[in-house]
Amino acid sequence: DAGITQSPRYKITETGRQVTLMCHQTWSHSYMFWYRQDLGHGLRLIYYSAAADITDKGEVPDGYVVSRSKTENFPLTLESATRSQTSVYFCASRWVGGKWSTEAFFGQGTRLTVV
Amino acid sequence: LAKTTQPISMDSYEGQEVNITCSHNNIATNDYITWYQQFPSQGPRFIIQGYKTKVTNEVASLFIPADRKSSTLSLPRVSLSDTAVYYCLVGDLNSGYSTLTFGKGTMLLVSP
Repeated sequence: DAGITQSPRYKITETGRQVTLMCHQTWSHSYMFWYRQDLGHGLRLIYYSAAADITDKGEVPDGYVVSRSKTENFPLTLESATRSQTSVYFCASRWVGGKWSTEAFFGQGTRLTVV
Repeated sequence: LAKTTQPISMDSYEGQEVNITCSHNNIATNDYITWYQQFPSQGPRFIIQGYKTKVTNEVASLFIPADRKSSTLSLPRVSLSDTAVYYCLVGDLNSGYSTLTFGKGTMLLVSP
């Protein structure tokens, strides 16, 4: 099915563990993004990628690692999870360039709880 | 990136027209204005985008005055299902805007 999907939808992990959130899109969009959303903070950009093998930090990158070896996948890894990383994580993708619509498409989110 | 200012929250009743204004005083020549909608437990969804004057689609209208320092999202005859957070974003489509910086948005509550 076409679209953008995140997995898992829900995850509980322990402090100090490594956890990877997956994001997959089927449109071959050049740009992909990871956001976290916490009450009172709105959506904050963690990392983004302009193309395969090109990534850059957003507003709150500390404690996170990303990679993008293929255009369609953009995994987000928490190297050593902390309670402050308990949040809802959204992945998004978007086409950038020319006169095309730059509508971004978001996944359904991953609710991560660090205990 | 142009900074945006929106009301934190708004209340309305079913059947009314709702207008949410976004202020972006330092908007640049190449910047576009885009609005997203987010329902609880879902990712944001694109509503409408414009550069100047008025844009209308099946969901909403976007009014942009000549100086482009503000914009107004208009939702006609809202229903309970329009209760959501609405975000205004401003930026150049092909450069810095590509990072899609969201503010805290406007929480719209529609009551019966």
